[in-house]
Amino acid sequence: NAGVTQTPKFRVLKTGQSMTLLCAQDMNHEYMYWYRQDPGMGLRLIHYSVGEGTTAKGEVPDGYNVSRLKKQNFLLGLESAAPSQTSVYFCASSVLTGERISGANVLTFGAGSRLTVL
Amino acid sequence: GQNIDQPTEMTATEGAIVQINCTYQTSGFNGLFWYQQHAGEAPTFLSYNVLDGLEEKGRFSSFLSRSKGYSYLLLKELQMKDSASYLCAVMDSNYQLIWGAGTKLIIKP
Repeated sequence: NAGVTQTPKFRVLKTGQSMTLLCAQDMNHEYMYWYRQDPGMGLRLIHYSVGEGTTAKGEVPDGYNVSRLKKQNFLLGLESAAPSQTSVYFCASSVLTGERISGANVLTFGAGSRLTVL
Repeated sequence: GQNIDQPTEMTATEGAIVQINCTYQTSGFNGLFWYQQHAGEAPTFLSYNVLDGLEEKGRFSSFLSRSKGYSYLLLKELQMKDSASYLCAVMDSNYQLIWGAGTKLIIKP
């Protein structure tokens, strides 16, 4: 099993360019998440999805869009990249969340995508 | 506001014991998680506490005191491969995870 796969692993963009990060999971997880990780800060949730066809905003959604057309895929788009979006992006998935906590809320992360916006 | 505090960096010696503390102030509490993240890699799950007390898993243990808003991760018999960042995360009343900035643990021979 591959788990959670992110592509690309590295990308350099110029300000104003657009791009899409792809996340794929093969664990049949319902929940998927996009986080960004910046030095000296905790992981910050950008957007998340509770199932195929649904998406919701997280803590820092501005400048990003997402889509979950298929259960196994979660795409993160930057329409007009800005230097402030230079970061490492992590996709994650989990079986469930909410009241049924226990091990069901353990996140499985992808390897990360390092994005630099010049 | 919601806040998770953990030391930025700690240094320990191979074979020793180290305790990494995490204090939190969140809107509600539905569990506390510890993740390990090696440099340049993805975070991986270590432990989960929702009730007060100590959870032991091999060389790693995690403790929680909900009344004090406090947790610690205890690593015993340190190995060089334990050099990593350790992330504390709390699930709030909306079942959203709030993450600390992580503690970078450096192990010296």
